[in-house]
Amino acid sequence: GESVGLHLPTLSVQEGDNSIINCAYSNSASDYFIWYKQESGKGPQFIIDIRSNMDKRQGQRVTVLLNKTVKHLSLQIAATQPGDSAVYFCAENGGATNKLIFGTGTLLAVQP
Amino acid sequence: ETGVTQSPTHLIKTRGQQVTLRCSSQSGHNTVSWYQQALGQGPQFIFQYYREEENGRGNFPPRFSGLQFPNYSSELNVNALELDDSALYLCASGPSLGVGNTIYFGEGSWLTVV
Repeated sequence: GESVGLHLPTLSVQEGDNSIINCAYSNSASDYFIWYKQESGKGPQFIIDIRSNMDKRQGQRVTVLLNKTVKHLSLQIAATQPGDSAVYFCAENGGATNKLIFGTGTLLAVQP
Repeated sequence: ETGVTQSPTHLIKTRGQQVTLRCSSQSGHNTVSWYQQALGQGPQFIFQYYREEENGRGNFPPRFSGLQFPNYSSELNVNALELDDSALYLCASGPSLGVGNTIYFGEGSWLTVV
């Protein structure tokens, strides 16, 4: 079946360092991917997305990389700040509906 | 702020009871979907509504049902509550069907079944 999973359940980084959160997906037909940030007690917050016809997309301090050959997605956060501490989910969206398939998430802990 | 609002924010129900959760979508969005997020898990798709009709359903039993109204707001109803229904219920809205539309989530409704 379809699944989107994460390699690392917890990532601890020092403030100011760069963070890389990884995600593997299994459905090679998926053509749209999204990263969400979820802070404690809140709903998922959209960070950045990428279509399958791209391999890189940049936002403010964030970059998403897509490697379709190995079905791998990553989120890079530059100069990580304490406010970046949260659970990060990758999600896959394909087909006629807006159904999102989420992984289990990675907890990013930023140490001051 | 995503413009997606949900109510109530927290509620406690007894096993066997019924619950109704409400969602107002972002202005201009005509699709609404609902997700269940158990503690420590990623959100799981329940179903989606587009123009007042169900358009896609996840692996949830029929006691999970919904409605979408002409103003695109939505309700999630769960009958015969079970302890395992305790979770955060998330509503998300999008501008239309199809791949590539950014989907925005509300803050969720925390349901505890005792």
